[in-house]
Amino acid sequence: AQTVTQSQPEMSVQEAETVTLSCTYDTSESDYYLFWYKQPPSRQMILVIRQEAYKQQNATENRFSVNFQKAAKSFSLKISDSQLGDAAMYFCAYRSTMYSGGGADGLTFGKGTHLIIQP
Amino acid sequence: DVKVTQSSRYLVKRTGEKVFLECVQDMDHENMFWYRQDPGLGLRLIYFSYDVKMKEKGDIPEGYSVSREKKERFSLILESASTNQTSMYLCASSSLRGTTDTQYFGPGTRLTVL
Repeated sequence: AQTVTQSQPEMSVQEAETVTLSCTYDTSESDYYLFWYKQPPSRQMILVIRQEAYKQQNATENRFSVNFQKAAKSFSLKISDSQLGDAAMYFCAYRSTMYSGGGADGLTFGKGTHLIIQP
Repeated sequence: DVKVTQSSRYLVKRTGEKVFLECVQDMDHENMFWYRQDPGLGLRLIYFSYDVKMKEKGDIPEGYSVSREKKERFSLILESASTNQTSMYLCASSSLRGTTDTQYFGPGTRLTVL
């Protein structure tokens, strides 16, 4: 079974600074997907960024980028120019490309990192 | 935009009651999922479904069942609620079509079992 580890329960950063959230995972598969989801306080979980393991190029979405190190099984999220609206729980998640049932499979999540933005 | 809705944001039930949590998505997604979220544990998959009347167990199915009679609706059932099922329950859906299989989440139902 795959596992996802987020070693930082909480991180704090000054507004406009850059912060990196770490994520490592364990798998024996060669192809898979990795995700970062954001869950603001009392609000809906939304996708921040997505990476396919077969792609060597790191995914970017505006101020959000990842550092994907496949050999090290590491998938960190970098947030540049942090804004107050970035304050949230951030979850790293893994999904296999090998479906266990009929074309779907759930995500395996890390325990989350609580990101605090200091004004 | 994809919309996933859940029937209640907050729910309080008593031990032993039968509890239904409803989830509806409006994007014709084939796949639907139920997770529970607990502090310090992240999200854990309870059940998922890839088609009407089809279901698969996730990582923690014990004490739960599901029903998918229509494509847009996926229900989570607690046959006899217990206090250790007090949690936040999140529903999600995704599509097999196209190149993206992003899961879209509902707002969650915070269930308290007394």
